[in-house]
Amino acid sequence: ETGVTQTPRHLVMGMTNKKSLKCEQHLGHNAMYWYKQSAKKPLELMFVYSLEERVENNSVPSRFSPECPNSSHLFLHLHTLQPEDSALYLCASSQDHLAGRGEQFFGPGTRLTVL
Amino acid sequence: SQQGEEDPQALSIQEGENATMNCSYKTSINNLQWYRQNSGRGLVHLILIRSNEREKHSGRLRVTLDTSKKSSSLLITASRAADTASYFCATTGLAQGAQKLVFGQGTRLTINP
Repeated sequence: ETGVTQTPRHLVMGMTNKKSLKCEQHLGHNAMYWYKQSAKKPLELMFVYSLEERVENNSVPSRFSPECPNSSHLFLHLHTLQPEDSALYLCASSQDHLAGRGEQFFGPGTRLTVL
Repeated sequence: SQQGEEDPQALSIQEGENATMNCSYKTSINNLQWYRQNSGRGLVHLILIRSNEREKHSGRLRVTLDTSKKSSSLLITASRAADTASYFCATTGLAQGAQKLVFGQGTRLTINP
């Protein structure tokens, strides 16, 4: 266990559905991240939050909407997704968000399938 | 892009042998990290090496970093079946701001009993 939990672990949704992914970290970290991992592509950083403020948005389509109500919780709200959005969505946390400060701790991921 | 690229893409060896994976990157870095991922699961941090370090050990893991060649290697000694996983290198750049880990596509390691 890395101290980062994600729910649900698997999600199947239609293109017109609205769903949310949840991430919680129990490590007292100040920074949280969303990544997308598609088959045969490198892990892609989507969003970075530090102390509940978004500090990075990596040109992610607006159909993905992050929310960070406090430093322990991170959500990814999904609406009107496309089949190509099917992927493993990974949440991670780190002590802070500044470059070079150390490792990130990953959750187990949510396997998302968009029909 | 400072994206890391791992080599080889896949590696299959016998249990007990040593496994070596390489990573190359393109721009100056602050540090380089190695992660392991079991199939369909989250990534687990293995080791971090800073740009002013040349070698680092952790248990059966040995990481080297050559900043002049912009490359790193991960050596796993006395491999075990449980080492079967994908291994990724990730770099963080020198620019200030949010920590952006840039991952390569990974090496798929299979340890045969």
